[in-house]
Amino acid sequence: KAGVTQTPRYLIKTRGQQVTLSCSPISGHRSVSWYQQTPGQGLQFLFEYFSETQRNKGNFPGRFSGRQFSNSRSEMNVSTLELGDSALYLCASSLWGSYGYTFGSGTRLTVV
Amino acid sequence: GIQVEQSPPDLILQEGANSTLRCNFSDSVNNLQWFHQNPWGQLINLFYIPSGTKQNGRLSATTVATERYSLLYISSSQTTDSGVYFCAVGKSGGSNYKLTFGKGTLLTVNP
Repeated sequence: KAGVTQTPRYLIKTRGQQVTLSCSPISGHRSVSWYQQTPGQGLQFLFEYFSETQRNKGNFPGRFSGRQFSNSRSEMNVSTLELGDSALYLCASSLWGSYGYTFGSGTRLTVV
Repeated sequence: GIQVEQSPPDLILQEGANSTLRCNFSDSVNNLQWFHQNPWGQLINLFYIPSGTKQNGRLSATTVATERYSLLYISSSQTTDSGVYFCAVGKSGGSNYKLTFGKGTLLTVNP
């Protein structure tokens, strides 16, 4: 079966712009979660969605937001980009969000 | 929140050697996974192992939930095993639908 698909793979944006990243989970998986990976902070949890509802949110500013659609696909948005937002953004899908996470290939965002 | 510590942070081996990576966690969990991050950044799931022992080829893992640690064994290492290995844990229910990652072990296998 198809894995977790993230688009785009690479993105270069300018400070102050906004960006939208997309994640299509494994068919049948209803939980989608997002993580940010940076060399300094490691892998940090952003938020998790289940059946279009945000169940959990990490400690990130309000500039980071997300949503999930009825087909379980998810998008995350970062507004007013800062240089420190440069990171690898990883999406994970899971049946229920309790175990067995599968990750996508990630979107590498560079803010200049 | 749950704290996850991995050791060692770095490990350098000669091809053919065996290694043990350790993951300690600070609270009871019902999800524990080991991942290998490939050079392109993707996290490849190695094991889902909240308790017990599993084996997959040259890799095996053991989690002792009552003592809050997990071990990943790599036998007869190959250069393709190089990369970062992450341990991630989670709980379910309430606001716990997430994984908490350790800082990883960077493994370098030299030919």
